[in-house]
Amino acid sequence: QSVLTQPPSVSGAPGQRVTFSCTGSSSNIGAGYDVHWYQHLPRTAPKLLIYGTINRPSGVPDRFSGSKSGTSASLAITGLQPEDEADYYCQSYDTSLKIYVFGTGTQVTVL
Amino acid sequence: QLQLRESGPGLVRPSETLSLTCSVSGDSIRTYYWGWVRQPPGKELQYIGYIYHTVSENYNPSLKRRVTISADTSKNQISLNLKSVTAADTAVYYCARVDYDSSPALFGPWGQGTLVTVSS
Repeated sequence: QSVLTQPPSVSGAPGQRVTFSCTGSSSNIGAGYDVHWYQHLPRTAPKLLIYGTINRPSGVPDRFSGSKSGTSASLAITGLQPEDEADYYCQSYDTSLKIYVFGTGTQVTVL
Repeated sequence: QLQLRESGPGLVRPSETLSLTCSVSGDSIRTYYWGWVRQPPGKELQYIGYIYHTVSENYNPSLKRRVTISADTSKNQISLNLKSVTAADTAVYYCARVDYDSSPALFGPWGQGTLVTVSS
């Protein structure tokens, strides 16, 4: 059973805004741990997209933003671009399992 | 620019040991923590463990009995050994730098990954 649950897929037209969640529990996100997000295009290295729940590494467009509330975190993409088609994974730490945990992944499709 | 590249056999027989190497260029492995993450087909990413050159190691408890991560500072390489493999260990294996200063630790940059299939 996955610790961090994400919707399997979301889609949107170019220019639209999409958001998707990363739902955890009181032993990870709800315990106050930050969330990181990664973008993964097929056959490439995963790339850090958001760190510390809300921060963007240099070079990441400001159309990507993160937030957190309670036991869930969210990633928003505003002004969706064709190059945003990828899989997105959240990551945090689980204090019960004592391991770094990843989300189930969300595939973003640009219509 | 920091680059990581995983290498090793793409096919391992059941009950044998999976051995992978991560070659790091652009920085010394002495400087950071380094980790391994895997992704079985159709499943989510799974944390395997990390190492801080020869000083500190941490492993996923579910794999701890079978996994060893080591560092060769002379070659600037990180290695992963996973013994007694089964089909459930079939996955793409990634190495990544671990930013342990972040809370929680984060992973990146990553290598492109290498697919290891466990089959007879």
